[in-house]
Amino acid sequence: SSELTQDPAVSVALGQTVRITCQGDSLRSYYASWYQQKPGQAPVLVIYGKNNRPSGIPDRFSGSSSGNTASLTITGAQAEDEADYYCNSRDSSGNHFNYVFGTGTKVTVL
Amino acid sequence: EVQLVQSGAEVKKPGESLRISCKGSGYSFTSYWISWVRQMPGKGLEWMGRIDPSDSYTNYSPSFQGHVTISADKSISTAYLQWSSLKASDTAMYYCARHYLEGWFDPWGQGTLVTVSS
Repeated sequence: SSELTQDPAVSVALGQTVRITCQGDSLRSYYASWYQQKPGQAPVLVIYGKNNRPSGIPDRFSGSSSGNTASLTITGAQAEDEADYYCNSRDSSGNHFNYVFGTGTKVTVL
Repeated sequence: EVQLVQSGAEVKKPGESLRISCKGSGYSFTSYWISWVRQMPGKGLEWMGRIDPSDSYTNYSPSFQGHVTISADKSISTAYLQWSSLKASDTAMYYCARHYLEGWFDPWGQGTLVTVSS
């Protein structure tokens, strides 16, 4: 199966901008979706498709994609954005009905 | 309100069988897939497999094929994840999620903690 690679951890000063990246061959063919997970909670969808936010997700979250890399950007990070973030996409290497999660990025807001 | 409500925490011994559940409400259960996701203690998310409740078609991640079974009863809007013989390494939090055909997961269940210990 294909893999999606993320940086293990990033930090951002309060109110500044942070970009989280996700790399993998499948991203050349399929969009990534992004999930926020806070300690002790279930994951929450924050970005899907080309750059869509579910209802209730602040507009400081945005998504983009280029080549084999998808990115989640938080513009004006808030303390409540401190969490683990995971990308997800279809598996392009075998059964295209299969999916794979990225390795996850821990975001710390300073 | 769209909701997925999972069954409660389980403590089992190695070799025992187990089935956990995920009940959908607030939407047409047969119009979306259900996926199951594993999260081992302190680790990341792993996609296990999914089911189309309308016809019970399933597909599994190669990592989980043959180790678990996903099923659904559309008459009661409930999906299941089951093991025939648990191992200590199955200790994890298991989430179900409504899986859009276009590829994303929303919403997620609250999770079911499975602990396997002798």
